[in-house]
Amino acid sequence: EAEVAQSPRYKITEKSQAVAFWCDPISGHATLYWYRQILGQGPELLVQFQDESVVDDSQLPKDRFSAERLKGVDSTLKIQPAELGDSAMYLCASSLEWGGLETQYFGPGTRLLVL
Amino acid sequence: DAKTTQPNSMESNEEEPVHLPCNHSTISGTDYIHWYRQLPSQGPEYVIHGLTSNVNNRMASLAIAEDRKSSTLILHRATLRDAAVYYCILRGPSNTGKLIFGQGTTLQVKP
Repeated sequence: EAEVAQSPRYKITEKSQAVAFWCDPISGHATLYWYRQILGQGPELLVQFQDESVVDDSQLPKDRFSAERLKGVDSTLKIQPAELGDSAMYLCASSLEWGGLETQYFGPGTRLLVL
Repeated sequence: DAKTTQPNSMESNEEEPVHLPCNHSTISGTDYIHWYRQLPSQGPEYVIHGLTSNVNNRMASLAIAEDRKSSTLILHRATLRDAAVYYCILRGPSNTGKLIFGQGTTLQVKP
């Protein structure tokens, strides 16, 4: 069964350093999502792509976070500089199309710890 | 987006049925009720969804109240692998697709 791949699985970094996360969605999935999940809370959307275009980045802290999906396939989420409050699980998900009824398939996540 | 309310936690014994409730009193006529669950150290996974009628699949059943203001996810025989956080989420067809997660219900299954 096809899966969403994410790397790295774990990342420890120091405050003010740059970090990057990678996501490879299920082949053929046009929509890609990045969520952030703080410990004890549900995931929250950071950015949504339809192919290579950003559909929703209203919750992305644009002063330090950036996301791209250049060829409409895999995606990178970057944080520069990292802050202590960025410690969280970063989840990538994909769906065949965008819309309120499409099933989203999640990757295993990248757990980030900022020291 | 309409809000859902779920109990913070529930306990169940292995091999017994589990009924996970969700209240959504402000649901609109076009909102679908979706359930996702998140096993420990994993990303969420889709469980089931429905609009008005009760739904069954290989993972669970979804019972929807006649007035649609509440629903119940039913696991017919809980296993230890079902221990997870269960999220009840409302999604409208015009929604861009993002999932709005609440706190969910943490299900503990005892052997």
